Amino acid sequence: AQSVTQLGSHVSVSEGALVLLRCNYSSSVPPYLFWYVQYPNQGLQLLLKYTSAATLVKGINGFEAEFKKSETSFHLTKPSAHMSDAAEYFCAVSDDNNNDMRFGAGTRLTVKP
Amino acid sequence: DTAVSQTPKYLVTQMGNDKSIKCEQNLGHDTMYWYKQDSKKFLKIMFSYNNKELIINETVPNRFSPKSPDKAHLNLHINSLELGDSAVYFCASSQRLSYNEQFFGPGTRLTVL
Repeated sequence: AQSVTQLGSHVSVSEGALVLLRCNYSSSVPPYLFWYVQYPNQGLQLLLKYTSAATLVKGINGFEAEFKKSETSFHLTKPSAHMSDAAEYFCAVSDDNNNDMRFGAGTRLTVKP
Repeated sequence: DTAVSQTPKYLVTQMGNDKSIKCEQNLGHDTMYWYKQDSKKFLKIMFSYNNKELIINETVPNRFSPKSPDKAHLNLHINSLELGDSAVYFCASSQRLSYNEQFFGPGTRLTVL
């Protein structure tokens, strides 16, 4: 079955610094990959998704992610962190063999002033 | 225009009680889900329904029983509540194709005393 691993349960950056949240996937067939964000006391919102078109995917709020098949990775980046980016981020995977989506354990992003 | 709504938002109850959480989506999706998020933010799928039929039933105690009266609703009934049931429960919906993202409700925080 497909799965994702998020490296680092907690990432802390300074405001204005680069944000890098890591996600590696495992899938026996081409995957579909997603990044979700969860703000405190809210549900999950989709940031971006990869569905086998362009390998560099741009999402909302200035985030982007690059699909790298050779590294089985789908890391999330943002050039300059903002205080409002502080949240929990989840990577998720599905594929044509498994319509259900599997989520990573999440990474909490803290942004310091 | 709330896409996926859940009621109640908060639920505090005693051990041994029976409670229900309701979920409705107005997106016209054919698949709905229930997730449990524990205190460490780990998100675990519990059930998935497609067109009112059960698709996914993860290892969940049979005290948990989903009910889907129609495509737009998926309710979760929990019998004989236990302390370990305390968590945030999220409902989600999607179109049942693996590349489609899921839309999440705001969550129901269940506290069992």
